[in-house]
Amino acid sequence: VIWMTQSPSLLSASTGDRVTISCRMSQGISSYLAWYQQKPGKAPELLIYAASTLQSGVPSRFSGSGSGTDFTLTISCLQSEDFATYYCQQYYSFPSLTFGGGTKVEIK
Amino acid sequence: EVQLVESGGGLVQPGGSLRLSCAASGFTFSSYWMSWVRQAPGKGLEWVANIKQDGSEKYYVDSVKGRFTISRDNAKNSLYLQMNSLRAEDTAVYYCARYLGYCSGGSCYGWFDPWGQGTLVTVSS
Repeated sequence: VIWMTQSPSLLSASTGDRVTISCRMSQGISSYLAWYQQKPGKAPELLIYAASTLQSGVPSRFSGSGSGTDFTLTISCLQSEDFATYYCQQYYSFPSLTFGGGTKVEIK
Repeated sequence: EVQLVESGGGLVQPGGSLRLSCAASGFTFSSYWMSWVRQAPGKGLEWVANIKQDGSEKYYVDSVKGRFTISRDNAKNSLYLQMNSLRAEDTAVYYCARYLGYCSGGSCYGWFDPWGQGTLVTVSS
């Protein structure tokens, strides 16, 4: 079983801030990681896959980095529509696919 | 436009059964793995099950093995989740999602995109 630790669980920030969210694995997963954004009452939406590949249509202010055990989602300049909850997901241990616990980005 | 629409959720008593459906459109349904992912109220996301394009391979999270069955009808562009012996801890919004990625050496490494709007299953007496 691969344990995932996503931090922080809550992040307070202001529009225009640069924010980073961490996802740490209990063992190396190469680049087998995706990131999702979920707004209240809505389904999650894919942002990034393969740790750093931006999904088509996702604004370039979102970026992903990392490999092995440590990964980061960065929002370079936070916009009002970015206040949401973010989840990482590992797919290295197919078929056991798991998500991080989530990071809620709220208005400071 | 790629679209997934779930239906079939509702209130069911513990020990009861429910069948969820997911209607797919806007893409060649038979060419993709498909998945169910759930989210308990106020909680995070949990992968539930995956099914291969032709239905020949199915995988489940341990907590639903032996109780849930994933299936598909490619002629109807539809995905299903038969849920039996339901428990209070199965209460969640259930999302249908397309599973994207690649297969190598018997494993299929992937992510979920897009997702349906979800259907709420409540298990309570």
